[in-house]
Amino acid sequence: SQQGEEDPQALSIQEGENATMNCSYKTSINNLQWYRQNSGRGLVHLILIRSNEREKHSGRLRVTLDTSKKSSSLLITASRAADTASYFCATDAGSQGNLIFGKGTKLSVKP
Amino acid sequence: DSGVTQTPKHLITATGQRVTLRCSPRSGDLSVYWYQQSLDQGLQFLIQYYNGEERAKGNILERFSAQQFPDLHSELNLSSLELGDSALYFCASSVGGGREGNQPQHFGDGTRLSIL
Repeated sequence: SQQGEEDPQALSIQEGENATMNCSYKTSINNLQWYRQNSGRGLVHLILIRSNEREKHSGRLRVTLDTSKKSSSLLITASRAADTASYFCATDAGSQGNLIFGKGTKLSVKP
Repeated sequence: DSGVTQTPKHLITATGQRVTLRCSPRSGDLSVYWYQQSLDQGLQFLIQYYNGEERAKGNILERFSAQQFPDLHSELNLSSLELGDSALYFCASSVGGGREGNQPQHFGDGTRLSIL
C-alpha cells in the first residue's frame, strides 16, 4: 500500500516561478526523503528530513515536515526547465524499515 | 552518475521465459535494493540484501528471486514471466544495512522489461 501520497499529481509552471509539492503519509515515521526522477532515468536523492526537524534547505530546495499533520512539502524556488521531472516522497514506514514511495508529482517547467 | 550500474538497459522476451537482471552497487555500498516501477502500481519495493544476506522482503512474487554475491553485485531472477511483469526494474544501493530509511539510496537507471 502507498504510504506517501503526493499532491498535485501534475504541476505545470513557467520558468522562474516557484513550485510546491505536498506529501501526506499515514503512519509515524523516523524520516522522510524526497527524490527526483527524470524521464527514463533512475531516482536521484534530493533531501532527507528527520522527524525532529521542521525545515531543511538545499540550494533552491526547501522541505518542511509537520509530523502532527503527517505531511511534508517540497518547494523549488526560481524553477528552471531542467527541473522538469517527477518528484517522489518516501517514508521509512515499511514493516522492515524499507522505504515506501508515493506515486509522485509530475512537474513541467516551461521555458 | 549515481555509481550504480544496471544491465541490460532493455530486455524483450516472451511469456513463460526466464530473465536475469544484474546490478553493481556504488563503490563502498553494502546494501542493494530491488524495486519494480509500473504505471499503475508506482514504485514497489521487492527485496533488500546487505553484505550478501537477505535483509528485508517486500512485495516480491514467488516467481522472482534475488541474490547478492561476495563481490556485492546482485542479480534479480524473474521466471515464468507474465504480461503483467512488464515494468522498469530498478536497483539501488546504500552504505549501511540498518533502518535504511535513515540513509539516501542511490539508484541505477533501471532495466526496462517488456513481455510480449
